[in-house]
Amino acid sequence: KAGVTQTPRYLIKTRGQQVTLSCSPISGHRSVSWYQQTPGQGLQFLFEYFSETQRNKGNFPGRFSGRQFSNSRSEMNVSTLELGDSALYLCASSLEDSAADTQYFGPGTRLTVL
Amino acid sequence: QQQVKQSPQSLIVQKGGISIINCAYENTAFDYFPWYQQFPGKGPALLIAIRPDVSEKKEGRFTISFNKSAKQFSLHIMDSQPGDSATYFCAASGNQFYFGTGTSLTVIP
Repeated sequence: KAGVTQTPRYLIKTRGQQVTLSCSPISGHRSVSWYQQTPGQGLQFLFEYFSETQRNKGNFPGRFSGRQFSNSRSEMNVSTLELGDSALYLCASSLEDSAADTQYFGPGTRLTVL
Repeated sequence: QQQVKQSPQSLIVQKGGISIINCAYENTAFDYFPWYQQFPGKGPALLIAIRPDVSEKKEGRFTISFNKSAKQFSLHIMDSQPGDSATYFCAASGNQFYFGTGTSLTVIP
């Protein structure tokens, strides 16, 4: 089976712009979670989607949003980018429940905000 | 507030030595404790995981020790190899995952 894929792998944006990141889960996986990884904070949970519904949400501002499509593919959007949004954004998929099933991570999208 | 605290931040071990990484958590509702290994340019990959009903789990050279009363768990890497050089994250989950801040392990040949 193909692993979790994320596109694009690298992005450079300027402050105030918005960005959309894409994640394709492992075939058959219905849960997709998003994480922000920074050197100082480690991995921080953004949100989880299951069957096109947001099931759980971390402590991030409303500028961070996401959605999931009927084929389980997911996108996350960050509006009005700030310098502090520079990070590696990781997507992870699991069969049904991210808190109970093994999560498989993609390689991430490296976002740089100038 | 950091739900999972991980130490040390970095670790240097000689080849063949034992690498030990420690984590502590606060929420007694957590019921799943995985460790992830991450190489540069890659996403984290599950290494080994434990549930609170057991005190130890071993898979090859990797062992998790779990102390429920102390709310601590640790990863032991026996016979550490240069190929083990990576960043290791502990995590704990209840309804969502909380990760430690990571330990950069370097194994010197």
